[in-house]
Amino acid sequence: EAGVTQFPSHSVIEKGQTVTLRCDPISGHDNLYWYRRVMGKEIKFLLHFVKESKQDESGMPNNRFLAERTGGTYSTLKVQPAELEDSGVYFCASSPQGGGNTIYFGEGSWLTVV
Amino acid sequence: RKEVEQDPGPFNVPEGATVAFNCTYSNSASQSFFWYRQDCRKEPKLLMSVYSSGNEDGRFTAQLNRASQYISLLIRDSKLSDSATYLCVVKRYGGSQGNLIFGKGTKLSVKP
Repeated sequence: EAGVTQFPSHSVIEKGQTVTLRCDPISGHDNLYWYRRVMGKEIKFLLHFVKESKQDESGMPNNRFLAERTGGTYSTLKVQPAELEDSGVYFCASSPQGGGNTIYFGEGSWLTVV
Repeated sequence: RKEVEQDPGPFNVPEGATVAFNCTYSNSASQSFFWYRQDCRKEPKLLMSVYSSGNEDGRFTAQLNRASQYISLLIRDSKLSDSATYLCVVKRYGGSQGNLIFGKGTKLSVKP
């Protein structure tokens, strides 16, 4: 069974441009999460979808970030316009409903803003 | 002050050594506690949950002291394959399932 997949794995963009990251959760997982780790910092929670609904978006840093999960399957995280401090790795994770504590992470999308 | 604090390391130990990781958390409303393992440039993976009574999984033992707001992980008979960064992770009471608070991690390097 495929794990959580993320695309692109690496991206280099200029300040002010837009980048869209995509996450495909494990099939059948209702819960989908986004996290990010910027240079020198710890991993931080961004938001949580249950199916297509945003359950918790308390970690979203500002309105330059937009996450969607239309249809409750894959999700996208768009950064527009990107700033230098957005550079880091963006992890997506998923878990089944009632699945206990195990959350399955993707390998991350590495973003560099220059 | 960070909500979850860990010694950044690195810890460099020989094979077979016992190594201990410590972690403190500042929010007394924290509800659930975990250790994750992260290999270089890979994703975090759940190593084990941490329970108040302490729990063991093979060579790994986790302890929680709620009064001191302290969590530990002990690795016995360390292997080369244990080399990784170990992340202390906390979930606040009432937070959504994935609203986890991560420490910065402690890097472990096990040498032959």
